[in-house]
Amino acid sequence: DADVTQTPRNRITKTGKRIMLECSQTKGHDRMYWYRQDPGLGLRLIYYSFDVKDINKGEISDGYSVSRQAQAKFSLSLESAIPNQTALYFCATSDLGSPPLDEQFFGPGTRLTVL
Amino acid sequence: QQQVKQSPQSLIVQKGGIPIINCAYENTAFDYFPWYQQFPGKGPALLIAIRPDVSEKKEGRFTISFNKSAKQFSLHIMDSQPGDSATYFCAASDTDKLIFGTGTRLQVFP
Repeated sequence: DADVTQTPRNRITKTGKRIMLECSQTKGHDRMYWYRQDPGLGLRLIYYSFDVKDINKGEISDGYSVSRQAQAKFSLSLESAIPNQTALYFCATSDLGSPPLDEQFFGPGTRLTVL
Repeated sequence: QQQVKQSPQSLIVQKGGIPIINCAYENTAFDYFPWYQQFPGKGPALLIAIRPDVSEKKEGRFTISFNKSAKQFSLHIMDSQPGDSATYFCAASDTDKLIFGTGTRLQVFP
């Protein structure tokens, strides 16, 4: 969805490096999410935020941190990248006010490889 | 813990066939069950969704069947086409967030 953008689209880094993945949205949604996708494991929630002052841990938050800089921006950081964080990362947004209440709009993804 | 179990992991059908993907859940508090479709290189997108007060929902060639007592729901794709080849994820809503299944890769051959 062009309304949700992610940068970079691809990133190769080395073990121990700090990495930031960025997400921006023009949909005006309050809610933003970070997921990682691994083959056979589906989409797993890392962190989510319902407004600028709200940050919540998801299923697999260890090794990650987030920052909600503005309503439209939600960044994911890997403080010290490790190889098992190699995955496809997706940002998503949703709007409490528009049905269906839980529809999420996903960005195009960031493919991260940690060597 | 895997709160939403999805099967099969992969599925191959001929054009015109009716692939069926199944999901099961444990948490009776789930109140919204969407299916997302993901094409290669793209993010998932909502395909169809159902709430537990109905047993079936149809949108075009896609149908969700929902069995509340068995805590199961399934996606049926009628008259499948090669363009339906994608990965399909079921999900369930847990208060304010979605719990996704592990995904099914569907291939439809001409």
